[in-house]
Amino acid sequence: GAGVSQSPRYKVAKRGQDVALRCDPISGHVSLFWYQQALGQGPEFLTYFQNEAQLDKSGLPSDRFFAERPEGSVSTLKIQRTQQEDSAVYLCASSLSSGYEQFFGPGTRLTVL
Amino acid sequence: AQKITQTQPGMFVQEKEAVTLDCTYDTSDPSYGLFWYKQPSSGEMIFLIYQGSYDQQNATEGRYSLNFQKARKSANLVISASQLGDSAMYFCAMREGNKAAGNKLTFGGGTRVLVKP
Repeated sequence: GAGVSQSPRYKVAKRGQDVALRCDPISGHVSLFWYQQALGQGPEFLTYFQNEAQLDKSGLPSDRFFAERPEGSVSTLKIQRTQQEDSAVYLCASSLSSGYEQFFGPGTRLTVL
Repeated sequence: AQKITQTQPGMFVQEKEAVTLDCTYDTSDPSYGLFWYKQPSSGEMIFLIYQGSYDQQNATEGRYSLNFQKARKSANLVISASQLGDSAMYFCAMREGNKAAGNKLTFGGGTRVLVKP
């Protein structure tokens, strides 16, 4: 399996809990993206890494959202004090370099009760 | 204004027939890229086809072709000889700026396609 993997696939959290979502990109892919997809809508950009550098975090909806990619490979999206409006599928994508087609993982479906 | 507009929320198509999915975009950047992705019920986004703003010819990839009309800012996807496995959500997306600029994708709202046997 050489594709993008994400874990967990499903996460249920109580309102106010912190969650951490993991993304393993395709080996050798320099660029990594996180998107949020609400039910019935297209994905919306959250943040972008080039290697370990977070070059764009303009899509993060609040300071409760934090992403990191410390060694330029695996990335973690952390959401603190989850709210019901955070319920969505969180998609991770990687690409060989900037501007190339992005390959997506299966997503993590987050449900906040 | 929406950057990517997909006006067809859902479509039925007969197996083995062709179907055209509409996509219009809005950008003032002369350099951009247009992408189509398929999202089956499993949830994974599958890359289908890419068209660069400076590409002279319409992109084709197997049964997928992109009808790129730059002056009209449209990038419609044509799926020929539809198969039952083509039933899915289809998203049009745009990258603004040249390849060196990044970059994030902006997605449309999607079109759900159901292929009838």
